[in-house]
Amino acid sequence: EDQVTQSPEALRLQEGESSSLNCSYTVSGLRGLFWYRQDPGKGPEFLFTLYSAGEEKEKERLKATLTKKESFLHITAPKPEDSATYLCAVQGGSYIPTFGRGTSLIVHP
Amino acid sequence: GAVVSQHPSWVICKSGTSVKIECRSLDFQATTMFWYRQFPKQSLMLMATSNEGSKATYEQGVEKDKFLINHASLTLSTLTVTSAHPEDSSFYICSASNPGENTDTQYFGPGTRLTVL
Repeated sequence: EDQVTQSPEALRLQEGESSSLNCSYTVSGLRGLFWYRQDPGKGPEFLFTLYSAGEEKEKERLKATLTKKESFLHITAPKPEDSATYLCAVQGGSYIPTFGRGTSLIVHP
Repeated sequence: GAVVSQHPSWVICKSGTSVKIECRSLDFQATTMFWYRQFPKQSLMLMATSNEGSKATYEQGVEKDKFLINHASLTLSTLTVTSAHPEDSSFYICSASNPGENTDTQYFGPGTRLTVL
């Protein structure tokens, strides 16, 4: 059974204070690891897909990395508008995505 | 990328009535769509996998007679909550992947907030 554990559950940062979110996973035959951003009352917004260990992707202040056991979402110099819940998901041989519970990020001005 | 829409964005209904939620892929054809349910401050719970032209595959514990899914075309899947009760109140979200991208990335709709009185 595929499993995804995200930590921390909640994170409070000051504007400009860089940090990382963790996503630990177990999956049979990784097809992809996905990061999403979800604002309250909205559907998840796609951020990144990572396919193999060592892969990295960047978008503005966000950078996602992947190892064989975990993924990190690094946030550099965050701004208040980066406040959201960040979801991690994996997809294995079953083609059914498994989501973590998310990390709720609040960035204070 | 890909754009997925949902309608309605919110709905309030009386207990015992049925509610239909539409999920559309706007700029691509989706042979498979997923339906999720999300409770406040919790993650997404997969309800079912909707396959165009065939019966949906439901996750364990999801009543298929209560949550009717129809995927009649490559751009439209519908979820009907039959005889809705207050415990069915939740945030329902659909997703789809774009076969043209050759990836399994799921793109989500904006969600539908269902409140059953």
